[in-house]
Amino acid sequence: NAGVTQTPKFQVLKTGQSMTLQCAQDMNHNSMYWYRQDPGMGLRLIYYSASEGTTDKGEVPNGYNVSRLNKREFSLRLESAAPSQTSVYFCASTVTDTQYFGPGTRLTVL
Amino acid sequence: GDSVTQMEGPVTLSEEAFLTINCTYTATGYPSLFWYVQYPGEGLQLLLKATKADDKGSNKGFEATYRKETTSFHLEKGSVQVSDSAVYFCALSDRGNFNKFYFGSGTKLNVKP
Repeated sequence: NAGVTQTPKFQVLKTGQSMTLQCAQDMNHNSMYWYRQDPGMGLRLIYYSASEGTTDKGEVPNGYNVSRLNKREFSLRLESAAPSQTSVYFCASTVTDTQYFGPGTRLTVL
Repeated sequence: GDSVTQMEGPVTLSEEAFLTINCTYTATGYPSLFWYVQYPGEGLQLLLKATKADDKGSNKGFEATYRKETTSFHLEKGSVQVSDSAVYFCALSDRGNFNKFYFGSGTKLNVKP
């Protein structure tokens, strides 16, 4: 039972490049989330998916897109990376009122 | 809207000292309250939770009591260890809408031997 997995663990991009962050969970959870974590700002919700086939914007969605590919997988795409998107990105899934987090992706945009 | 405010860090303590990290919340509904812990280089892990007023969550020697009258959920531990060094996040979710979670900004705890 791997829980929530994320790939890659580290990534360096140049401004304007695109990439997709992958997330998968094997706990059969309906809800999945993408957060970014910046120093002194805690976690900010980018997008979430309450169930397969649905996605909704969170607090900071600009510059990102998401895809809920199936119940297990929820990907986050940066179409044209900007230095302001340098951050640590966490994926999470939820059962009832408890969230389970992946190990994170540390992204640097130069 | 819903929000969580927690004390700023870092908090530096000597081993075996008493720990308190303050957390207060604002919620329109009836929230569940949580403490998560993040060790260096890792994701957040659930430490404890409480789902209704006067409930006490506890785990690994940590405790927090859901105080509706003061809208607080302060984290305490009687005797901290070096291994408790981490960042602690207070959070809430509205039991009427489990899709939304709100996190505090995190408090870094450093425990010195």
